[in-house]
Amino acid sequence: DVKVTQSSRYLVKRTGEKVFLECVQDMDHENMFWYRQDPGLGLRLIYFSYDVKMKEKGDIPEGYSVSREKKERFSLILESASTNQTSMYLCASSLGTANRGYTFGSGTRLTVV
Amino acid sequence: GENVEQHPSTLSVQEGDSAVIKCTYSDSASNYFPWYKQELGKRPQLIIDIRSNVGEKKDQRIAVTLNKTAKHFSLHITETQPEDSAVYFCAASRGNQGGKLIFGQGTELSVKP
Repeated sequence: DVKVTQSSRYLVKRTGEKVFLECVQDMDHENMFWYRQDPGLGLRLIYFSYDVKMKEKGDIPEGYSVSREKKERFSLILESASTNQTSMYLCASSLGTANRGYTFGSGTRLTVV
Repeated sequence: GENVEQHPSTLSVQEGDSAVIKCTYSDSASNYFPWYKQELGKRPQLIIDIRSNVGEKKDQRIAVTLNKTAKHFSLHITETQPEDSAVYFCAASRGNQGGKLIFGQGTELSVKP
């Protein structure tokens, strides 16, 4: 009964590569989010989207972009991967405009070498 | 900017004891405060949440308290069990920016049998 699916569990990429992280949810949620998780720093918001083709920057958007062409899919793009982007990336979704809890994906552990 | 401070970063208790994790938030417009549990290698999962019109909420062995005046909220786990061992994250909504959460840094709880 997986509801938020991230396409890759582990990824290893080279510095300078363009990297795509995919997230799909099947709950018809309006809101989708990308966070990165680093020890001691908690979860930091990279980008979020509250509707198809809509996106807003979070707290740490530098070096990232996103795409939301369909309601169920939210992609995170690392334009030119760098070693400081080595991290766990978590996708999440939530329903509507009222504050509600997130449903998280299982995460993608990205290593940039 | 807005932030959420979470303490302690690590917590070790004996099975059967109580555990308390505390968070403070800076945005006076925050009105939704969820708590997530992340077991090793798994996705964060919502375990309890509270809204600003409520001072306390309980669900079996877990409870959350909220002090709006002091801008802090706490998670209380009673009669801890080894399966409570995990990383716990608090979060606060970003004022009137529907749907976005700011997360604390996380607390690694270890329950020793």
